[in-house]
Amino acid sequence: QVQLVESGGGVVQPGRSLRLSCAASGFIFSDYGMQWVRQAPGKGLEWVAIIWHDGSKKYHADSVEGRFNIARDNSKNILTLQMSSLRVDDTAVYFCARGRSSGYVDYWGRGTLVTVSS
Amino acid sequence: IVVTQSPALLTVSLGERATIYCRSSQSLFYSSNNKDYLAWYQQKPGQPPKLLFSWASTRESGVPDRFSGGGSGTVFTLTITSLRAEDAAVYYCQQYYTSYSFGQGTRLEIK
Repeated sequence: QVQLVESGGGVVQPGRSLRLSCAASGFIFSDYGMQWVRQAPGKGLEWVAIIWHDGSKKYHADSVEGRFNIARDNSKNILTLQMSSLRVDDTAVYFCARGRSSGYVDYWGRGTLVTVSS
Repeated sequence: IVVTQSPALLTVSLGERATIYCRSSQSLFYSSNNKDYLAWYQQKPGQPPKLLFSWASTRESGVPDRFSGGGSGTVFTLTITSLRAEDAAVYYCQQYYTSYSFGQGTRLEIK
């Protein structure tokens, strides 16, 4: 069955960096676009980034453009999110998600919590 | 594209019908393939979201037929009939026509 397991979350000071990873299994990773979606505590969902199945294209939300970078390693079935210049309002649970067709999500990981605080 | 859901909170009795609205600031209908680029998700406390519908009305496998998705263009609905206690959740719509954006969510409470 499809499994997406995020790791790398934690507490980090404003301005620092953090790298999230998502280990995918149960499907042919290189056939699917992948996304990161985040959810601040008690708030709604916010789309963060998407990468094409072969890594040829990637897009980031305006709120993270220039600070975050989505990447993937199809040889290891790993999706990553490199986050830099972190801000307090980046505090959220970050979900790894498998994309379908034009971009809706059919499977979600359980998420990893990132807390940005001094 | 801005996606707006209403109401923010919906309280409905067991066995009754609930309807959630999702409005988009521009049309999500792509005429070349006759599809609306809108999805619906259900999220229960402590869990990741679960896909209910894609393309506005295509039900995912395993989703009960008490759930239906409708609408086109800029106005969409998620309707749940014969409400059950386990339907209590937050429901989100998402457009994927241009970039990707979610509505702010509708909390459904069952009384």
